[in-house]
Amino acid sequence: GENVEQHPSTLSVQEGDSAVIKCTYSDSASNYFPWYKQELGKRPQLIIDIRSNVGEKKDQRIAVTLNKTAKHFSLHITETQPEDSAVYFCAPPLDNYGQNFVFGPGTRLSVLP
Amino acid sequence: EAQVTQNPRYLITVTGKKLTVTCSQNMNHEYMSWYRQDPGLGLRQIYYSMNVEVTDKGDVPEGYKVSRKEKRNFPLILESPSPNQTSLYFCASSRAPGAHQPQHFGDGTRLSIL
Repeated sequence: GENVEQHPSTLSVQEGDSAVIKCTYSDSASNYFPWYKQELGKRPQLIIDIRSNVGEKKDQRIAVTLNKTAKHFSLHITETQPEDSAVYFCAPPLDNYGQNFVFGPGTRLSVLP
Repeated sequence: EAQVTQNPRYLITVTGKKLTVTCSQNMNHEYMSWYRQDPGLGLRQIYYSMNVEVTDKGDVPEGYKVSRKEKRNFPLILESPSPNQTSLYFCASSRAPGAHQPQHFGDGTRLSIL
């Protein structure tokens, strides 16, 4: 079955620094690559996604890069702020139909003031 | 307001007592799904539904049932709950399968099975 890994599992950065979280997957059928953010005690929410025909996508301080050959995609957060502190999950689907999702184990980001 | 609503938000119950967690969305979404979240294991998919009367197993379906009689509702049923089903449960919906749409999550239901 699909194996999804995230690195690192925890990450602490100083406010204003950049953070990078990497997601690796095993199933080459994936064509959609989302990242979700979950703040403490709250529901996961999509923050950015990318499709396989695009190598990079940016939305203000957040960007996602995709390397389909190497089977990984990464979340980049620049100029981090305390409100970026959360757990981040990648969730590539198992198939092209986007029905059966496998979430990564999560990365806990702490932004220190 | 577009939302996914789960009830109850919290429940403490005992082993073997049947329970149902309801999930309702008001966005006319075709796809709905249930996940459980446990420390260190992330979110694991229990069941999903592509449309009315169409349901399928996710990664951890054992001990759970679902139904999709109406487009807006997707209840999760635990016929005989056991302590290993103590977890945080999330319902999610998206516009359509195959369209690679983001999932919208409910606020979660924390179940404790004693």
